[in-house]
Amino acid sequence: EAGVAQSPRYKIIEKRQSVAFWCNPISGHATLYWYQQILGQGPKLLIQFQNNGVVDDSQLPKDRFSAERLKGVDSTLKIQPAKLEDSAVYLCASSTDGRADLYFGPGTRLTVT
Amino acid sequence: QKEVEQDPGPLSVPEGAIVSLNCTYSNSAFQYFMWYRQYSRKGPELLMYTYSSGNKEDGRFTAQVDKSSKYISLFIRDSQPSDSATYLCAMSANKLSFGAGTTVTVRA
Repeated sequence: EAGVAQSPRYKIIEKRQSVAFWCNPISGHATLYWYQQILGQGPKLLIQFQNNGVVDDSQLPKDRFSAERLKGVDSTLKIQPAKLEDSAVYLCASSTDGRADLYFGPGTRLTVT
Repeated sequence: QKEVEQDPGPLSVPEGAIVSLNCTYSNSAFQYFMWYRQYSRKGPELLMYTYSSGNKEDGRFTAQVDKSSKYISLFIRDSQPSDSATYLCAMSANKLSFGAGTTVTVRA
């Protein structure tokens, strides 16, 4: 079974620039998550999709972050404009039932200079 | 107060030692309790998953949940250098909340 795919793996941008990340979940997984993991901290949920609908985006900074999951499969997360404090690893995860056991991708390491 | 508290360590043990990790939590609505292992520059991977209070064993790993004390533990027996990683506890009611992670180094 193929795992969760993410790209790019690394990205360096200057503050105020924009960036987009892509995620392809495990086939058949209805629930998709985007997490932000700052160095030395646990992952923090940014947004959760069930199929192509948003379940929870309460911690998504909506003035600069946006996410979509067209057709209930792939997803993109965008940051525009980026700030220095957005430097983190952005993890995509998927699960079958949206409750507990998540499968994570390798993450995208973003550095904002 | 954070919803999930986890001592970040770091923890360094000799090969063959027992590793003991723990987390406390404040939300009594948590029903699912998990431990994830995260190697450097990788995403977290699910290690153990329990639903209720009690013990669950899987090979060298034992997870314990004490809902009355709001306390969960992970024990690694006969630790190996390949166990060197960051261990994250996670808990869920309707969404997953993670601890900060404990970095473990097993010395050969």
